[in-house]
Amino acid sequence: GIQVEQSPPDLILQEGANSTLRCNFSDSVNNLQWFHQNPWGQLINLFYIPSGTKQNGRLSATTVATERYSLLYISSSQTTDSGVYFCALQGGTSYGKLTFGQGTILTVHP
Amino acid sequence: NAGVTQTPKFRILKIGQSMTLQCTQDMNHNYMYWYRQDPGMGLKLIYYSVGAGITDKGEVPNGYNVSRSTTEDFPLRLELAAPSQTSVYFCASRAGWGRDTGELFFGEGSRLTVL
Repeated sequence: GIQVEQSPPDLILQEGANSTLRCNFSDSVNNLQWFHQNPWGQLINLFYIPSGTKQNGRLSATTVATERYSLLYISSSQTTDSGVYFCALQGGTSYGKLTFGQGTILTVHP
Repeated sequence: NAGVTQTPKFRILKIGQSMTLQCTQDMNHNYMYWYRQDPGMGLKLIYYSVGAGITDKGEVPNGYNVSRSTTEDFPLRLELAAPSQTSVYFCASRAGWGRDTGELFFGEGSRLTVL
């Protein structure tokens, strides 16, 4: 099946800093999403982005499908951004099967 | 709008017991999923379904069974519970089948401990 690798595994920031999280994958994709898991365990969908660029407030995401990676940008980070960020994707030959990366743990200090 | 509802939220089992985690969604979604998340780890796919009557194995199906007799419900059955099944279980759904915006909706999770 498709392989997913996220980097970095851990990231520690001061409030106000910017960051870039990366998701590499091993095959073509027809579904790619970014999620934030907050400290209470709730999973929140940030972006559905199998290709192109999207922005939502301080967050934006870009997927370059031909080069098999996606980036999540967080600008002017806040303590509430802390948690785990996952990318999840469906390979081009899969039908319905969504695979998660291992996540990036983000800690934002005040 | 309830979205994806999982029950129970917490459960403690003894080794060898069996139980069913319930999942129901009211969005008329075709695709449904069960994931498990061990402490400090990512989500692993157990089983998924692309429609009523259709199920398929994910990455870690051993020790579990599922059924999908209706569009709304996707129960996960644990037979002969083992300590290795201690985890948080998440059910999720997605529209699929021509209506797919791609977005995955999650339930709040069910925390299972096997002692």
